Amino acid sequence: NAGVTQTPKFQVLKTGQSMTLQCAQDMNHEYMSWYRQDPGMGLRLIHYSVGAGITDQGEVPNGYNVSRSTTEDFPLRLLSAAPSQTSVYFCASSPPGGGKTQYFGPGTRLLVL
Amino acid sequence: GDSVTQMEGPVTLSEEAFLTINCTYTATGYPSLFWYVKYPGEGLQLLLKATKADDKGSNKGFEATYRKETTSFHLEKGSVQVSDSAVYFCALADGAGGTSYGKLTFGQGTILTVHP
Repeated sequence: NAGVTQTPKFQVLKTGQSMTLQCAQDMNHEYMSWYRQDPGMGLRLIHYSVGAGITDQGEVPNGYNVSRSTTEDFPLRLLSAAPSQTSVYFCASSPPGGGKTQYFGPGTRLLVL
Repeated sequence: GDSVTQMEGPVTLSEEAFLTINCTYTATGYPSLFWYVKYPGEGLQLLLKATKADDKGSNKGFEATYRKETTSFHLEKGSVQVSDSAVYFCALADGAGGTSYGKLTFGQGTILTVHP
């Protein structure tokens, strides 16, 4: 198993540009989520999904969209990037009944100029 | 709402020193508690966890005990190695709603550097 994979590893955007951060898992996990990590603030939940076709907002959802058309994929879209979205983004997945343990991808570092 | 507070870092130790990273939490109900670790260039990995009061999680020489009376989950290791240099995150998963997934609330992370 590859586990949780994320692409790209690093991206530079200009303000107003759009992009999609990709996340995929091959463990057949139902629960997937996106976090952002900012210096001194730990990780904060952006959006999450409890299964294909079901998504919900986390703590900091503004400026981000998600969809979950398959169990494996959970892309995060930035429609109009802003400098405040400069951060490191982590995707995570969890199996049902997994004792709430989440498995994280390696992260995507995003810089918005 | 739920919150997690970790000791301020960074922490710098010599090899074989004793490590403590403090973590306290605020939550309703009975959360599960976790320590995650991020090594350079890698994703977060679960280090250990505890799901109920007085449980002790342990892994790779690290230990943490779920103390409900002090709402704490301090991470300890008796003898650190250079390879333990990483960022350590304390986290909790809410116990509300009966869901088995939970949403993680993280502390701010503590950078640990171990010198030879």
